[in-house]
Amino acid sequence: DAGITQSPRHKVTETGTPVTLRCHQTENHRYMYWYRQDPGHGLRLIHYSYGVKDTDKGEVSDGYSVSRSKTEDFLLTLESATSSQTSVYFCAISESTGQGAFFGQGTRLTVV
Amino acid sequence: GQNIDQPTEMTATEGAIVQINCTYQTSGFNGLFWYQQHAGEAPTFLSYNVLDGLEEKGRFSSFLSRSKGYSYLLLKELQMKDSASYLCAVRDPPPGGATNKLIFGTGTLLAVQP
Repeated sequence: DAGITQSPRHKVTETGTPVTLRCHQTENHRYMYWYRQDPGHGLRLIHYSYGVKDTDKGEVSDGYSVSRSKTEDFLLTLESATSSQTSVYFCAISESTGQGAFFGQGTRLTVV
Repeated sequence: GQNIDQPTEMTATEGAIVQINCTYQTSGFNGLFWYQQHAGEAPTFLSYNVLDGLEEKGRFSSFLSRSKGYSYLLLKELQMKDSASYLCAVRDPPPGGATNKLIFGTGTLLAVQP
């Protein structure tokens, strides 16, 4: 199994507070992704990274920012959490081959 | 734009064969992936197609037709443990192909009945 861990695994936060989710990999993979998963919407791409300090927006990037200062870590920040950001967040990693992406175990975020 | 369509739900019988279809319209294409996701768990990689044709891996096979923007996942000898969501995903590189954007469909929830 790919070495990828997300932290925290569960978090409850209040509306308006900042939240940072961490994704850490030990595989030295180039690409890292943040997705959110909601009923009826499947996995939607928030942001992704194709190298250190190289990031781009996905389809649902509003209200989120990311940073990747080293290969192994990809941080997702909600600057001011809203209830619509209650979701399960998955981090994934991949190389530029046909292996597909390997997923972390997910973070369940509840904004109250 | 980007659009990946799958049926929302399917039901099949233990021991039978089921085919889950996926159609896609993306600005670019550099491979199609199938994932399995059990409830409350992370998606796990099942198969990858980049050229037209059938890829077989044990009880699971995946087919791709790039000209039709179409793929299917075939599950044989269904087992109860195959009850899960099956996600179709397309690698959609932007012009220049410098990145590796992976876009998912909404998934098909398969229920295997005794």
